[in-house]
Amino acid sequence: SQKIEQNSEALNIQEGKTATLTCNYTNYSPAYLQWYRQDPGRGPVFLLLIRENEKEKRKERLKVTFDTTLKQSLFHITASQPADSATYLCSRGGDGSGNTGKLIFGQGTTLQVKP
Amino acid sequence: DTAVSQTPKYLVTQMGNDKSIKCEQNLGHDTMYWYKQDSKKFLKIMFSYNNKELIINETVPNRFSPKSPDKAHLNLHINSLELGDSAVYFCASSQGQTQETQYFGPGTRLLVL
Repeated sequence: SQKIEQNSEALNIQEGKTATLTCNYTNYSPAYLQWYRQDPGRGPVFLLLIRENEKEKRKERLKVTFDTTLKQSLFHITASQPADSATYLCSRGGDGSGNTGKLIFGQGTTLQVKP
Repeated sequence: DTAVSQTPKYLVTQMGNDKSIKCEQNLGHDTMYWYKQDSKKFLKIMFSYNNKELIINETVPNRFSPKSPDKAHLNLHINSLELGDSAVYFCASSQGQTQETQYFGPGTRLLVL
């Protein structure tokens, strides 16, 4: 069955550094991967979507990559700020053959940016 | 204006009771979802409706019954609540059926005693 694996250990970095979060998937490549941010006690908020045929996507200080060989997506936050501290969820969508399938979420990685 | 709203925000109840959670979205989206987030933070889809039609029905106990009176509302009714039902339930919506770019509600924290 399809899975999404994220590092369950918290990532602690210093303000101003680049945070890199990893998302690994199993079996075939999904049609797309999505990244969401979740703050304590709140619902997830959509950040970025990257499709199977895209290598990289950027939005302001955020960058996402999709490597079908490694079966991995990397999520980067450059010039990180304490306000970026949150849990980041990766999800896979589609079954690789054009169907929608269902979204499968990873456990999320908690990022802590220290001033 | 709140895009996706859920009521109640907190729900504390006894085992065996029946309860409902309501969800409304004002984004004009076609598709709505119910997710369950357990204590380990895994977010799992339960149901999905597109234009009031059930399109995803995951393996959840039939004590859980969704109902969509119109495409802006998706309610979740739970019969005979059990301890294991304690979790945070999120409603979400998106445009189309591709499940891309979902907007989530604030969640309903259910505690079954």
